Amino acid sequence: ETGVTQTPRHLVMGMTNKKSLKCEQHLGHNAMYWYKQSAKKPLELMFVYSLEERVENNSVPSRFSPECPNSSHLFLHLHTLQPEDSALYLCASSQSTGTNEKLFFGSGTQLSVL
Amino acid sequence: DQQVKQNSPSLSVQEGRISILNCDYTNSMFDYFLWYKKYPAEGPTFLISISSIKDKNEDGRFTVFLNKSAKHLSLHIVPSQPGDSAVYFCAAHRGIQGAQKLVFGQGTRLTINP
Repeated sequence: ETGVTQTPRHLVMGMTNKKSLKCEQHLGHNAMYWYKQSAKKPLELMFVYSLEERVENNSVPSRFSPECPNSSHLFLHLHTLQPEDSALYLCASSQSTGTNEKLFFGSGTQLSVL
Repeated sequence: DQQVKQNSPSLSVQEGRISILNCDYTNSMFDYFLWYKKYPAEGPTFLISISSIKDKNEDGRFTVFLNKSAKHLSLHIVPSQPGDSAVYFCAAHRGIQGAQKLVFGQGTRLTINP
């Protein structure tokens, strides 16, 4: 399998549940990202990991907890979410060095919080 | 503060004609710009990019123009084809601690009519 793979593709959870989103990249990249896409809004950068170290956290609420155990895997742990957290969550990867590098995205997890 | 804006949420163009998608940005520190294309139920895929030191980049039917003084870029697709129907995101780049930070616009939904 190639590219960036996200699981699950769809997730429905209650506000008291705990769940995790998983992302795996097979591109040999060493930077990984979580983005959130809400309806009619820009893609919002949530977290950035470079060489497994978190380098950016864009004021994301603590109910979202990222984990990057190695350069190929990225998780987003979810707990006590709110209905307004319903969105498409996209994972991406890139090379951390070099100019003009682009991000490669997974297909996303469509999350619905009831 | 939205640093990258796509003011047209949708655009409808006849097959064979030119499609022009526009994007404005506010931060002069961005060093290159990208266009991504997104089909339903898929992640965004890279289409074309342009460095801030250039004013035009062409790749087949796709051309991106950059006007730095106006902080404006546009994507031209000619001739437009039905398979071009998708949401197009403009993104602006700056590097952060060994990773690539992309700031996205809201997207423009392009529909190509036969």
